[in-house]
Amino acid sequence: AQSVTQLGSHVSVSEGALVLLRCNYSSSVPPYLFWYVQYPNQGLQLLLKYTSAATLVKGINGFEAEFKKSETSFHLTKPSAHMSDAAEYFCAVSPSSGSARQLTFGSGTQLTVLP
Amino acid sequence: ETGVTQTPRHLVMGMTNKKSLKCEQHLGHNAMYWYKQSAKKPLELMFVYNFKEQTENNSVPSRFSPECPNSSHLFLHLHTLQPEDSALYLCASSQDMTLRSTIYFGEGSWLTVV
Repeated sequence: AQSVTQLGSHVSVSEGALVLLRCNYSSSVPPYLFWYVQYPNQGLQLLLKYTSAATLVKGINGFEAEFKKSETSFHLTKPSAHMSDAAEYFCAVSPSSGSARQLTFGSGTQLTVLP
Repeated sequence: ETGVTQTPRHLVMGMTNKKSLKCEQHLGHNAMYWYKQSAKKPLELMFVYNFKEQTENNSVPSRFSPECPNSSHLFLHLHTLQPEDSALYLCASSQDMTLRSTIYFGEGSWLTVV
């Protein structure tokens, strides 16, 4: 069984500031990890994914995430926030040997970017 | 253009109505999914179809009935819903069921049950 905890349902940052969205996972087997973004009135879009290659994963729009096994974390970061980054972000986990039907999502973190 | 199109975008229905949500993917994918997104809750996988065959039904009440007539189209038939069924229903597709295949989501259908 696996689960995902996203710390902080709401995060606010100033434009140009560092974005840090936290995700901790629980998995009894090696995991695959994902970050999705949902802009207002849109579906989810894949930002990046960890599939047991490099632990530092780079995604679209300047985002990256680092897989830390010892901390069971997969936090999402971006050095400088832009107004267009305002959205809801979802972390997801799945067993690496599993299929798409085993993808478990977190509850989401709403990111607000202040001018 | 996301490649996955859902209609209608908004639907209000009474508890005794029958309605359907439609999803069409233009990506040539073989797997299609229905998810339910409720406020402040994780996405819930409802149904999965792979090569038009249903492979997953996550204990979804029978008032939700999926249909996959071909690999490009997916329907969710709704009948005698409850107010707690009000949510955003997301359709998604992927090339196959492996996790290396990216899942593409539609923009969702907002359902309100009154």
